[in-house]
Amino acid sequence: SQTIHQWPATLVQPVGSPLSLECTVEGTSNPNLYWYRQAAGRGLQLLFYSVGIGQISSEVPQNLSASRPQDRQFILSSKKLLLSDSGFYLCAWSSRDFYNEQFFGPGTRLTVL
Amino acid sequence: AQKITQTQPGMFVQEKEAVTLDCTYDTSDPSYGLFWYKQPSSGEMIFLIYQGSYDQQNATEGRYSLNFQKARKSANLVISASQLGDSAMYFCAIGSAAGNQFYFGTGTSLTVIP
Repeated sequence: SQTIHQWPATLVQPVGSPLSLECTVEGTSNPNLYWYRQAAGRGLQLLFYSVGIGQISSEVPQNLSASRPQDRQFILSSKKLLLSDSGFYLCAWSSRDFYNEQFFGPGTRLTVL
Repeated sequence: AQKITQTQPGMFVQEKEAVTLDCTYDTSDPSYGLFWYKQPSSGEMIFLIYQGSYDQQNATEGRYSLNFQKARKSANLVISASQLGDSAMYFCAIGSAAGNQFYFGTGTSLTVIP
């Protein structure tokens, strides 16, 4: 069966510090991968998606970036965090088609102080 | 572009009763999928049910059913025999191959009252 891992589970970082969140998927190959952000009490905002190694599509211009160095690894990064980057970050995977369901990791709760 | 609208920010239901959570969508893509997710207070997003745009019958998964009315562009979630563990946020979402996108609604908070 497929599983998706995210770490860390929680993170508190000062403004201006770098960020690296990692997501890995097991039990499937060639997945679509997604990064979402959820502000407190809000819906999910799609940040990035990837359909293959090195292929990243950005949905929202911001100071975040994503990379996919391996088929089942998706990394969310920032060089300098802003207060507005605080939120709950969720990684998800799906099979190739966008009209297939997405399966989510446990999430990372990021607080920028 | 696609859009998902959930007009009920909060809903209450008595335990063991049924409840309907509303979802309307807007898309020009001929082929799309509609999804419902549950997010308990722990934060995890749990996939509940899927409806394809060409599916003739409404999807069902245990106590969950999706009332799909294509002409009205609505995809309401029906939870039968509510349980206390159903208390959570519920999100409707749409995805399509043509648009290469996946959008979530703003969610409905469901509280089951004992």
